[in-house]
Amino acid sequence: SQTIHQWPATLVQPVGSPLSLECTVEGTSNPNLYWYRQAAGRGLQLLFYSVGIGQISSEVPQNLSASRPQDRQFILSSKKLLLSDSGFYLCAWSVQGITIYFGEGSWLTVV
Amino acid sequence: GNSVTQMEGPVTLSEEAFLTINCTYTATGYPSLFWYVQYPGEGLQLLLKATKADDKGSNKGFEATYRKETTSFHLEKGSVQVSDSAVYFCALSGPPIQGAQKLVFGQGTRLTINP
Repeated sequence: SQTIHQWPATLVQPVGSPLSLECTVEGTSNPNLYWYRQAAGRGLQLLFYSVGIGQISSEVPQNLSASRPQDRQFILSSKKLLLSDSGFYLCAWSVQGITIYFGEGSWLTVV
Repeated sequence: GNSVTQMEGPVTLSEEAFLTINCTYTATGYPSLFWYVQYPGEGLQLLLKATKADDKGSNKGFEATYRKETTSFHLEKGSVQVSDSAVYFCALSGPPIQGAQKLVFGQGTRLTINP
């Protein structure tokens, strides 16, 4: 069966520091991969999606970037974090069907 | 563009009460509709889905019917339990883009069930 893992689960970072969140999917090939963010008091927003290695689509302009160095690996990064980057980040995957499956999430607090 | 409007919370009910969480959508074409649930401190889990008009999704005693005429996908459960306390998200997905599905979420409704 397919599983998705993302880490770290929680992190507290100072403003201006870099960020790297990693996500891997097991048990499937050629998944579509996604990064969503849930900011405090707000709904879920799609940040990036990827349909293949090296293919990244950005949904909103922001201080973050994404990369897909391997088929089942998706990385969310920032060179310099802002306070507004705080939130709950969720990696997700899908294949041919319509359903998107989410990871456990990563809580980011920028201080 | 596509959008989802959910009943504002928080919603507080007693155990065994009947639950309805309203969800309406705006979309071009024929979207697929979903309910996701987020338990405290966890990621999102798919609760149920419906892919075409008049489809009924169901899981764990929850149900929702895809109503095209009213553009709605209301979540219902006949008798809630304390373990149902969570945040519930309604979402829609339009046609895939390059094979990727892009979910549009409602704001979420926090549900608390008291014993």
